[in-house]
Amino acid sequence: GQQLNQSPQSMFIQEGEDVSMNCTSSSIFNTWLWYKQDPGEGPVLLIALYKAGELTSNGRLTAQFGITRKDSFLNISASIPSDVGIYFCAGRASGQNFVFGPGTRLSVLP
Amino acid sequence: DGGITQSPKYLFRKEGQNVTLSCEQNLNHDAMYWYRQDPGQGLRLIYYSQIVNDFQKGDIAEGYSVSREKKESFPLTVTSAQKNPTAFYLCASKRGAFETQYFGPGTRLLVL
Repeated sequence: GQQLNQSPQSMFIQEGEDVSMNCTSSSIFNTWLWYKQDPGEGPVLLIALYKAGELTSNGRLTAQFGITRKDSFLNISASIPSDVGIYFCAGRASGQNFVFGPGTRLSVLP
Repeated sequence: DGGITQSPKYLFRKEGQNVTLSCEQNLNHDAMYWYRQDPGQGLRLIYYSQIVNDFQKGDIAEGYSVSREKKESFPLTVTSAQKNPTAFYLCASKRGAFETQYFGPGTRLLVL
């Protein structure tokens, strides 16, 4: 099955910095989701996107549905220690199941 | 308190043994899913069910079996035919065709 590409694979940032990560696909999607996963836990839904160009915020998190419908972006502003974890994207084409990226592992240094 | 529950949190399997992972949801969701998570990889779909008494194979169904006798329950059996079962297993559900998908807390399966 198809997998998505996520970059960067991992990142180390200082507390207070902003973070950007992205997800790309070879297929056009109708829905993009972003999840955060803590070690040993299930992914928690952060943001859902349903329209090309859509920009949606959830607190310090902002995600965008790319215009080409083949990519999506997640930004975290003013990072804090609890932002540590793995961030997954998921995309879905019409009538299909969701496919998932391998994740971006975020580490926040105090 | 609504949500998806998975049990047990940790499960140990001996060689040649079948084990069953439980997934229950009280969200009244129609569709349920089982994924396998390995380090450094995206989630891979094992089986899914969009309605009671019906289910379909995902990308990596070999060595696994499921049932969907009730809307709220979708147990996964890891059979002895699955030669590399050590992984983190995640159950998910969603209400309809266009809804977002929510995950349970996961079960980690280890082989003795």
